[in-house]
Amino acid sequence: GAGVSQSPSNKVTEKGKDVELRCDPISGHTALYWYRQSLGQGLEFLIYFQGNSAPDKSGLPSDRFSAERTGGSVSTLTIQRTQQEDSAVYLCASSARQNQPQHFGDGTRLSIL
Amino acid sequence: AQSVTQPDIHITVSEGASLELRCNYSYGATPYLFWYVQSPGQGLQLLLKYFSGDTLVQGIKGFEAEFKRSQSSFNLRKPSVHWSDAAEYFCAVGAEGGFKTIFGAGTRLFVKA
Repeated sequence: GAGVSQSPSNKVTEKGKDVELRCDPISGHTALYWYRQSLGQGLEFLIYFQGNSAPDKSGLPSDRFSAERTGGSVSTLTIQRTQQEDSAVYLCASSARQNQPQHFGDGTRLSIL
Repeated sequence: AQSVTQPDIHITVSEGASLELRCNYSYGATPYLFWYVQSPGQGLQLLLKYFSGDTLVQGIKGFEAEFKRSQSSFNLRKPSVHWSDAAEYFCAVGAEGGFKTIFGAGTRLFVKA
């Protein structure tokens, strides 16, 4: 069946531009996570959506980062006024419900010039 | 608050040798425990999980892990490592009650011939 889909797979943009990263979770999954992974590093939690509850935004590194999840399905992570330190792989994961195993997408590799 | 620690940043083992990757967690109640693997250039894949019951759980690719409540540990083991096991391994812990799953920093496994 279809897994978690992320687009684009690669994104190169200039410093100061805004970017939008998209995540299509597995159908029916109520939980959705965004993570950031810098080169050779572990997973940095960004934001967590669970059903209709208010999202857990505790991992967002600055107010330039925001995310939404429309209709409990597709999610978009937006980074405004990108900086070079934003360069990383952004991973999305979904799970059937809270604390069930997560299914990861292949990530979006973001490069800020 | 939950936390998870993977004490070893990297480990090198010889092909055919046994492997144990350490994971320690901090949580008051019975946690949900996971091990994920990330092969080079790949997304994360679930190896195994523990929710309840038998404390020794079997996973894919010949891996197993043992939950030891007294030691707050969930170490990953494999009797005989193959070169294809070279990857990054992440331990994760979750729990009921509105807590999101959190990941350890990862252990990078190198396999030498």
